[in-house]
Amino acid sequence: SQQGEEDPQALSIQEGENATMNCSYKTSINNLQWYRQNSGRGLVHLILIRSNEREKHSGRLRVTLDTSKKSSSLLITASRAADTASYFCATDAWEGNKLVFGAGTILRVKS
Amino acid sequence: EAQVTQNPRYLITVTGKKLTVTCSQNMNHEYMSWYRQDPGLGLRQIYYSMNVEVTDKGDVPEGYKVSRKEKRNFPLILESPSPNQTSLYFCASSSWGVGDTGELFFGEGSRLTVL
Repeated sequence: SQQGEEDPQALSIQEGENATMNCSYKTSINNLQWYRQNSGRGLVHLILIRSNEREKHSGRLRVTLDTSKKSSSLLITASRAADTASYFCATDAWEGNKLVFGAGTILRVKS
Repeated sequence: EAQVTQNPRYLITVTGKKLTVTCSQNMNHEYMSWYRQDPGLGLRQIYYSMNVEVTDKGDVPEGYKVSRKEKRNFPLILESPSPNQTSLYFCASSSWGVGDTGELFFGEGSRLTVL
């Protein structure tokens, strides 16, 4: 069962601009995580936000969580060409100890 | 260096020829999991293990087997591979406990093609 769904599917921006990706999910969660994947490589954890948190920052990343709307957003500020990658949100699920991943947003940052 | 190591990274095989994808982690993690990634479908969990000798099915377990005889190793076995198992496979591990989820550490992936 796919829980998280990212929007948009693909995003193309110029270097220096901000990139915003959104994630919606269906059921209650303990936490929501964002991961990054460079083409064909393993996923790398970016940030985790717990259900009782509304906003979290890590370097150029800002994550918000709205549990009433079951949605989250990932903002990358002052993007760089090296930020080009796929970004996935993942939510935990009580029915099994696992993270459920969305289909991802493909971000392309043009230099 | 903390890492999850998968082998082989690339494999082309034929229908019905049994194969094993190995996964090893050096972080003493209790939790290990296998995912497959297909275009447009994201990552789907195949099997997971909460600890040694404890394994359970994920969302897409059909056609796969796993074992967890040692804490560090979690091999994925395809007894009789079929073309619909052509995919990119990821092993992941974490220090999760029951009902507690956190960061997953991923291997670099194993790209499998079944002809």
